Formats: sequence, C-alpha cells, structure tokens
Amino acid sequence: DTAVSQTPKYLVTQMGNDKSIKCEQNLGHDTMYWYKQDSKKFLKIMFSYNNKELIINETVPNRFSPKSPDKAHLNLHINSLELGDSAVYFCASSRLSGANVLTFGAGSRLTVL
Amino acid sequence: ILNVEQSPQSLHVQEGDSTNFTCSFPSSNFYALHWYRWETAKSPEALFVMTLNGDEKKKGRISATLNTKEGYSYLYIKGSQPEDSATYLCASLRYGGSQGNLIFGKGTKLSVKP
Repeated sequence: DTAVSQTPKYLVTQMGNDKSIKCEQNLGHDTMYWYKQDSKKFLKIMFSYNNKELIINETVPNRFSPKSPDKAHLNLHINSLELGDSAVYFCASSRLSGANVLTFGAGSRLTVL
Repeated sequence: ILNVEQSPQSLHVQEGDSTNFTCSFPSSNFYALHWYRWETAKSPEALFVMTLNGDEKKKGRISATLNTKEGYSYLYIKGSQPEDSATYLCASLRYGGSQGNLIFGKGTKLSVKP
C-alpha cells in the first residue's frame, strides 16, 4: 500500500498551459507539503498545509496554488506554466509536531517545453 | 550560520569501509534535526529525528549524533555496503517554526564500490 502517492509521475506540457499534480496520503497524517527539487538538487519547501493553517514560501510565484479538498489530499495547481517550472515536485506528509518525520511521495517530474 | 550545510558533497568508498559525514545547522532556537536517505529515482526515506543535545540514534549499521550547542550532527555508516549508496540529507527545524520550515541541506552523495 502506497503511503503517499502522487500523480502523474511524469508530465510534459507546453508553456502557458495550466496543470495539476495530485497527492494523496493514507497515513492519517494531519499535515501535507509540496517540495520542489531545484536545478541544484536542493529540496525547497513550497507549501505546508494542515486543516488550520496554510504556510506559503514567499518565494513561490502566485501561479502555484495548493488545493486541499480534505485532510488526505493536497493538490498542486500551476497556472501559465513557464520553462523555469520544469523540476521534480515532491509531496510529503507528517504528523504536526516538528519531531515527526516526513513521508515523501515518489515525485512528479514536470517538463515544460 | 543560517543555512544547513553538509560535507563532503560526495564520497566514494570501498565495500567494508566505515564512513562518516557532517551536517551543520543553525544552533539558535534549535528544535529538531532530521536525517533522510535518498536513493536515485526514489523518494527520501526517514532515518532519524533527533531533538536533544548529545542524542545518539542507531539503525542497523547507521548511527547519528547530535550537538545542538555547536550546531552539528554526524552520520556514521559502519562497514559500508553497495546498497548504502544514496544521498544522505539532513534537515533542521528551528523553534517556533512549523514542519514547513524544515530547511534541507544539499546532501552527501555516497557511492560504495563492491
């Protein structure tokens, strides 16, 4: 049973398009995250979300928006895709406390042409 | 320091060698230090979370220590095996921050030759 699942695993699209990446966790965690692996292979937080609080990394363009229909899902919507958005995006989840580890999904590789 | 820094960037060892690498993190307002193992084409997997100064954790041949006063953690691998080849990430969380404020280092890429 996959704990954190992301779809699609690969996404190739044209500049200017709008796309979404879905994430679901079946661990009963109350917090979910989106990370971007940048060109230098750093994992950088984009959003963290629980049912009370959305924390947005201020460096993330507002073309990116998280949507959470329920505790088990946090989808990533991207409007007007740009070449620089090409990256691997990782979803993760955890229990709320900072002493709890993150469980990551397998990643979604986005290529913008 | 405000960033999380890991050294060395990469490491090549022979099977059977023991190895260690370093994670440096901001010591002020320290809350927790995470270690993850990241194999190529897979997702990062948690190894340890440490919160107390002097903490030492062990998982099989892998162990980690924590010094919160000087802001560093060491990860040790005893008798490296080819399956230990991966990138090892550490991440620091400062007090007052939610999990979303975990700051990751760039990782140490370990290659173990048979």
